Amino acid sequence: QVQLVQSGAEVKKPGASVKVSCEAFGYTFTSNYMHWVRQAPGQGLEWMGIINPSGGSTSYAQKFQGRVTMTSDTSTSIVYMELSSLRFEDTAVYYCARSGGGSMSIDYWGQGTLVTVSS
Amino acid sequence: QTVVTQEPSFSVSPGGTVTLTCGLRSGSVSSSYYPSWYQQTPGQAPRTLIYSTNTRSSGVPDRFSGSILGNKAALTITGAQADDESDYYCVLYMGSGIHYVFGTGTKVTVL
Repeated sequence: QVQLVQSGAEVKKPGASVKVSCEAFGYTFTSNYMHWVRQAPGQGLEWMGIINPSGGSTSYAQKFQGRVTMTSDTSTSIVYMELSSLRFEDTAVYYCARSGGGSMSIDYWGQGTLVTVSS
Repeated sequence: QTVVTQEPSFSVSPGGTVTLTCGLRSGSVSSSYYPSWYQQTPGQAPRTLIYSTNTRSSGVPDRFSGSILGNKAALTITGAQADDESDYYCVLYMGSGIHYVFGTGTKVTVL
């Protein structure tokens, strides 16, 4: 069955970068785009961007352009999300989530990775 | 900035029916926005309920249904159960420029 397994929690200082991984199981990795979504404590869900693992093309929400980089490794079925110049307000749970093909939606979610930005 | 609006909260009695909506601050929602709906309980990852306006995701009970009501997307829970008490989020696909925008979320209480 489809599973998305994310890397563990991170604590970073302001100004640093964080790289979160998401390993895909149970389907053909290059067949589905992958979203990244985040959720600050007590807040709603926020779409960050999307990557096509086949070829690596990306599209980012305007808010994160210039600070976020999404990449994929087809040899390991892993997608990565790197966020740079971290601020306190980047403290959040970061989710990878598989795109459901032509449905323009998300069908499967990773378990989430807590990133804490603290001095 | 695109704002997708949802009711902040709803309360429903066990066995009752509640309809949540998902709108645009400026404009109408149609099926061309591919509205989808997600359920989230505290501390858990979201779960996909509905995609492409009204298609239930695998394993989702048929008490959950999606539609377009007037100028908004809607999620209806018919015969609410205690474990439906969750936060519910909609997402709209805005096209290749903006891509996807989440709604503000609705907290549903069953009591």
